[in-house]
Amino acid sequence: DQQVKQNSPSLSVQEGRISILNCDYTNSMFDYFLWYKKYPAEGPTFLISISSIKDKNEDGRFTVFLNKSAKHLSLHIVPSQPGDSAVYFCAATRQSNYQLIWGAGTKLIIKP
Amino acid sequence: GAGVSQTPSNKVTEKGKYVELRCDPISGHTALYWYRQSLGQGPEFLIYFQGTGAADDSGLPNDRFFAVRPEGSVSTLKIQRTERGDSAVYLCASSLKSSGELFFGEGSRLTVL
Repeated sequence: DQQVKQNSPSLSVQEGRISILNCDYTNSMFDYFLWYKKYPAEGPTFLISISSIKDKNEDGRFTVFLNKSAKHLSLHIVPSQPGDSAVYFCAATRQSNYQLIWGAGTKLIIKP
Repeated sequence: GAGVSQTPSNKVTEKGKYVELRCDPISGHTALYWYRQSLGQGPEFLIYFQGTGAADDSGLPNDRFFAVRPEGSVSTLKIQRTERGDSAVYLCASSLKSSGELFFGEGSRLTVL
């Protein structure tokens, strides 16, 4: 049973527009959420995170929103740039823990 | 470089063979993790080291898998009697502390024929 789900395997967005990547989770014990970005033949790199005590965290063009009641989080990228084309993984954990539970990833394609 | 280094980057082996995958973490990082990523899925936790000891090996799928970190730095993931289902990218990550940001290596792609 997948505890972290990314239901869109891929997403195509025009350069300059907003990209919205979604993630759902089932385990209410999760209290810390992360987004990782992965280019082909490279390891995942940390992008942004959010604690369950917040509902929004912003870092430059990247904003993560958390809706605890819906067990849903989203990553907004605005404006989208060609270098944002990558696979984005959502991951969740408990802050007292170290194991990350990952979604299957969403491949983001930024069109020129 | 100063990042996590994994070797080999690619390994093709035959069913039943023994394989070793190496991870060289970022200097000074005490926590080290192994994850496995199968095609079309996110990484799955295998094992976590804090220093030299395996603090949690609950993610290892069976007793054919074993990992060591004898001096608290480099780690080796060992797979005995490989099976086709072991084919995946094996990712190593390290962090300064157990709850810190994870830095991943590029992974070792294992293909079992």
